[in-house]
Amino acid sequence: EDQVTQSPEALRLQEGESSSLNCSYTVSGLRGLFWYRQDPGKGPEFLFTLYSAGEEKEKERLKATLTKKESFLHITAPKPEDSATYLCAVQPFGNEKLTFGTGTRLTIIP
Amino acid sequence: AAGVIQSPRHLIKEKRETATLKCYPIPRHDTVYWYQQGPGQDPQFLISFYEKMQSDKGSIPDRFSAQQFSDYHSELNMSSLELGDSALYFCASSSRVSGNTIYFGEGSWLTVV
Repeated sequence: EDQVTQSPEALRLQEGESSSLNCSYTVSGLRGLFWYRQDPGKGPEFLFTLYSAGEEKEKERLKATLTKKESFLHITAPKPEDSATYLCAVQPFGNEKLTFGTGTRLTIIP
Repeated sequence: AAGVIQSPRHLIKEKRETATLKCYPIPRHDTVYWYQQGPGQDPQFLISFYEKMQSDKGSIPDRFSAQQFSDYHSELNMSSLELGDSALYFCASSSRVSGNTIYFGEGSWLTVV
């Protein structure tokens, strides 16, 4: 069974203080690993899809990386508007569904 | 850019009633997914459709059913509602042809009282 574990559960950072969120996964065969941002009461907002180990993608202050066992979401010089829950999900080959982790709740303090 | 449209945004029903949620995927997307997210929980996969045929099934109760219509919109029907069905229900869509990125709608809040 596919499993996704995210850490830490919650993270409080000062504005400008860089850090990384971790997503560890086990999957039968990885079709894609997805990162989403979710604000309270809203739908997950797509950030990145990573397909193979060694792949990296960047968007503004965010950078996602992938190994065979985990993915990191690095946030550089965060701003208060980056406060949200960040969800990681895996999609295996031959299957439509995403299996989500429980997310990291990120709070950026001005 | 067009996004996934869900309706209604909020719905209050009594126990044992029936509810129907609607989803309009991004134009030209061929796959629709339904997810359920309870308070403080991660989204749980319910069911998906590819080209109007059911393609995968997750932890969807027997009281729930879904279908995708000829215009690609989808409906999730929930009967004999229970208090535990109170949750945020998301629809998502993707295109196998153009990269398989899965985009989510804003969700439908269902409260069962």
